[in-house]
Amino acid sequence: GNSVTQMEGPVTLSEEAFLTINCTYTATGYPSLFWYVQYPGEGLQLLLKATKADDKGSNKGFEATYRKETTSFHLEKGSVQVSDSAVYFCALRLYNQGGKLIFGQGTELSVKP
Amino acid sequence: NAGVMQNPRHLVRRRGQEARLRCSPMKGHSHVYWYRQLPEEGLKFMVYLQKENIIDESGMPKERFSAEFPKEGPSILRIQQVVRGDSAAYFCASSPGGSLGNEQFFGPGTRLTVL
Repeated sequence: GNSVTQMEGPVTLSEEAFLTINCTYTATGYPSLFWYVQYPGEGLQLLLKATKADDKGSNKGFEATYRKETTSFHLEKGSVQVSDSAVYFCALRLYNQGGKLIFGQGTELSVKP
Repeated sequence: NAGVMQNPRHLVRRRGQEARLRCSPMKGHSHVYWYRQLPEEGLKFMVYLQKENIIDESGMPKERFSAEFPKEGPSILRIQQVVRGDSAAYFCASSPGGSLGNEQFFGPGTRLTVL
């Protein structure tokens, strides 16, 4: 089946530390890949996306590269801020499945000053 | 342009009551998706609707749950005879569909608590 697996949280970092949140996927087709962020009490916001192999999505200092050979889409940021504290969700979407998103379980990030 | 609106934001029901959750998509969007987020879990797809049509309901529980997206008005997710296990956050997302693409924009969610 189709699924997304993320590294378990919570992840606690000091401000300006380097962030990596691992995400791997299993898909029967050729998916598009996404990272969403959820701040406390809010809905999900699209952070970045990539639609084909070797594409790099980037936004607000976050990056992720679509690696087909390792079926991965790891999220990275060189220097985190306290305001980055949130829950991050990796997701995939298959072209032939009407647009529904399949999410990982989420990784909570807490950044301390 | 207002974003996706959901109401109520918080809903408390006793076991056996009905819960109605409403979602107004972004202006110009004709596709709506409902997801459920159980405590400590990711979001799980429930149903995908276009105006007046259910396109994919593969994630909907077989009983007590229904969804509609009428020609006029918001999309409604209806849960009959709620049980404690229905306590969750329910998120709606909308997309324009067609040639405008299907990137989904999420609402703030409705947090349902069943007592």
